[in-house]
Amino acid sequence: AQSVTQLDSQVPVFEEAPVELRCNYSSSVSVYLFWYVQYPNQGLQLLLKYLSGSTLVKGINGFEAEFNKSQTSFHLRKPSVHISDTAEYFCAVGIQGAQKLVFGQGTRLTINP
Amino acid sequence: DTGVSQDPRHKITKRGQNVTFRCDPISEHNRLYWYRQTLGQGPEFLTYFQNEAQLEKSRLLSDRFSAERPKGSFSTLEIQRTEQGDSAMYLCASSLGTSDYNEQFFGPGTRLTVL
Repeated sequence: AQSVTQLDSQVPVFEEAPVELRCNYSSSVSVYLFWYVQYPNQGLQLLLKYLSGSTLVKGINGFEAEFNKSQTSFHLRKPSVHISDTAEYFCAVGIQGAQKLVFGQGTRLTINP
Repeated sequence: DTGVSQDPRHKITKRGQNVTFRCDPISEHNRLYWYRQTLGQGPEFLTYFQNEAQLEKSRLLSDRFSAERPKGSFSTLEIQRTEQGDSAMYLCASSLGTSDYNEQFFGPGTRLTVL
């Protein structure tokens, strides 16, 4: 079975500072990896995905993530955050042949002015 | 923009009552998913349809829960004899399943509160 651990439940940062949201996964088979963002009272929006190929993937709103197979990690980064990035961020894994996504517990990103 | 829509957005009910939620996926999307999200947690998979066929159900989906997608378009999720533990956000997602991977597009969710 697959599992996802987001190591920080809350991350407070100052505006224009860099941020890293950590995600580790466990799986005995190859995985697809995703980061979703959830703004208050809204559904989940896909930020970026890793399917194969280059381990550094770029997404929307200036976010990027790096797949590290040896460390089973897929950390999300942004070099300079804005107030509008305040939201809940979820890491998720999917596997070949299965349709469901397995999500982590989420990390609440709070941007302070 | 015709994204995934869910109705109602909020539902308050008393314990023991039945509730039904509706999800309208993006048109032409043949796959539809239901997830449940409790406070402070990530979404958990409940069930998945390909067209009208329900192909996978989680163990979370007790016999009080039933989901249908009668014509392969919209879907309903019914909870019978609701319990306080059913209070959660119920999320619907859809995808165009043409390959092993397909991006899931999520709706805004239905927030259920059981008193």
